[in-house]
Amino acid sequence: DAGVTQSPTHLIKTRGQQVTLRCSPKSGHDTVSWYQQALGQGPQFIFQYYEEEERQRGNFPDRFSGHQFPNYSSELNVNALLLGDSALYLCASSLVGTGGAGANVLTFGAGSRLTVL
Amino acid sequence: LAKTTQPISMDSYEGQEVNITCSHNNIATNDYITWYQQFPSQGPRFIIQGYKTKVTNEVASLFIPADRKSSTLSLPRVSLSDTAVYYCLVGPYGNNRLAFGKGNQVVVIP
Repeated sequence: DAGVTQSPTHLIKTRGQQVTLRCSPKSGHDTVSWYQQALGQGPQFIFQYYEEEERQRGNFPDRFSGHQFPNYSSELNVNALLLGDSALYLCASSLVGTGGAGANVLTFGAGSRLTVL
Repeated sequence: LAKTTQPISMDSYEGQEVNITCSHNNIATNDYITWYQQFPSQGPRFIIQGYKTKVTNEVASLFIPADRKSSTLSLPRVSLSDTAVYYCLVGPYGNNRLAFGKGNQVVVIP
């Protein structure tokens, strides 16, 4: 049973560029959340997608956007990259579509390490 | 979401039992306590979750006193591979917007 898979694992961009990160949730999960983890910090919630819609959003600017596809996979897009966007971006999946089974228990991927120069 | 406070770091010797504490003074009635473990360059991994008293699984035990203002994660007989950052989170059941603090860096020494 495959867990959460993310791609790419590492990437380097320059300021002002745009980046797209991809996530495939764990089999059977229907909700995807994205987190940003700066070095030495805990993960910070960016947003959550369920039924192809953004359901919750953390304190991140509109430069951060996302999408969820009918097969539950998801993308995170960041426009106009800043040096401060350098971080590990984590995707997490869960199953909430049936009343909270496994709620609060997220399965995380290994992350995409973004470096902005 | 209720905030948590954890020690920044702690060391332990291999084979010992490790108790990791977490303070959550403002925990709400409907909040659960959840612990995650994170190794370098990996995503956090769920360890255990509880509401009150004691919860035990194959990996750890979670002790929650009656006032629920703190909790203790207990790892029996740690090995070097248990070196990781441990996060304590509180939030209502069904909430997937997890609020991570800086966590507690646990280093297991040979």
